[in-house]
Amino acid sequence: AIRMTQSPSSFSASTGDRVTITCRASQGISSYLAWYQQKPGKAPKLLIYAASTLQSGVPSRFSGSGSGTDFTLTISCLQSEDFATYYCQQYYSYPSFGGGTKVEIK
Amino acid sequence: QVQLQESGPGLVKPSETLSLTCTVSGGSISSYYWSWIRQPPGKGLEWIGYIYYSGSTNYNPSLKSRVTISVDTSKNQFSLKLSSVTAADTAVYYCARAKRVGIVEDWGQGTLVTVSS
Repeated sequence: AIRMTQSPSSFSASTGDRVTITCRASQGISSYLAWYQQKPGKAPKLLIYAASTLQSGVPSRFSGSGSGTDFTLTISCLQSEDFATYYCQQYYSYPSFGGGTKVEIK
Repeated sequence: QVQLQESGPGLVKPSETLSLTCTVSGGSISSYYWSWIRQPPGKGLEWIGYIYYSGSTNYNPSLKSRVTISVDTSKNQFSLKLSSVTAADTAVYYCARAKRVGIVEDWGQGTLVTVSS
């Protein structure tokens, strides 16, 4: 099974900050990576797939990059509605998620 | 806009079988991959398995011996059965739709299933 490791597991940031979350796969997964946002009590929401393709309707302040084993999710200018937990997920082989990164208000 | 709604018991006894159904509205169950994903309270997400509308399935290897996912195209529903449950199976269970395996675009609201005697 492919293991996905996210870092950090949580951090605090302020509105307007540029934030970056990293995700590492235990083996190469090409660009078969998606990012999801989850708010408390809600289902996850797809943000990005194929490592860097923005899902329809997702604000352009979200971007993804990487291939192989190392990936990043960047939020260029953090908004109040972006405080949430973010998960990466590979689908190169049987789908598996990272442990999540919680973005909290500083 | 497709909508997915999970239904089933919220409490299951240890060693019994957890059974959930997902009803799809606003779209056909034909085409797409239909998945079950769970999230233990306060923890991360775990893929349980998925079924293509034609009936082919793929399950999480760690759960494979206990999982069955089926589809009923006439009712626009798909279902999950998880046998021999323990407290570790307590989670919010989500049903979901993916155009491609692994790219989940639509989710149900989730249903909490507690395993307890």
